[in-house]
Amino acid sequence: GAVVSQHPSWVICKSGTSVKIECRSLDFQATTMFWYRQFPKQSLMLMATSNEGSKATYEQGVEKDKFLINHASLTLSTLTVTSAHPEDSSFYICSAITGTGRFGYGYTFGSGTRLTVV
Amino acid sequence: AQSVAQPEDQVNVAEGNPLTVKCTYSVSGNPYLFWYVQYPNRGLQFLLKYITGDNLVKGSYGFEAEFNKSQTSFHLKKPSALVSDSALYFCAVPIPSGYALNFGKGTSLLVTP
Repeated sequence: GAVVSQHPSWVICKSGTSVKIECRSLDFQATTMFWYRQFPKQSLMLMATSNEGSKATYEQGVEKDKFLINHASLTLSTLTVTSAHPEDSSFYICSAITGTGRFGYGYTFGSGTRLTVV
Repeated sequence: AQSVAQPEDQVNVAEGNPLTVKCTYSVSGNPYLFWYVQYPNRGLQFLLKYITGDNLVKGSYGFEAEFNKSQTSFHLKKPSALVSDSALYFCAVPIPSGYALNFGKGTSLLVTP
């Protein structure tokens, strides 16, 4: 089945530094990738939608200059947390649409990245 | 707006007993509904989805869900719970613009031996 590989699984960084999270579709082409953020024991909140070759669409309240999303190829989307601060500590998950058509599509998720900013 | 609601923060069930995790939906048009499970510090694993057709949908790991249009519900069920089923369960519906999933708040399932 369709697999999305997300790296790193966890990262600890110092406040003020930048961190890049990668999501790769291993056996399919991911035209669209979604990035979510999840706080402990809470639901997934959509941060942005990225489409290959175009600018990402950010949800209201998400700082596009802080959370840089690049989807330069059909198999790779990246999320860079710039000038990270402790409040950016969270679990970040990517997801891609798989399949086509109204009845054929579904979603596959990366394994998530636990970011801790100290 | 397409949304789902999970009324229970936590469900406790003894191993071997049947389990139900509740989800209600509010959608325009024909609903397209999903259930996912999440283990600690992991991504989401697909359990099942409803598109159209049979109201009883069978999914992975022995789970099934019943679509009820009159009650606008899509409850997740399993006849006999396992301790290993203990996890966080999410009901979700696609957002028409962009097709990202909109998730319920999640229900923590605890199965005790």
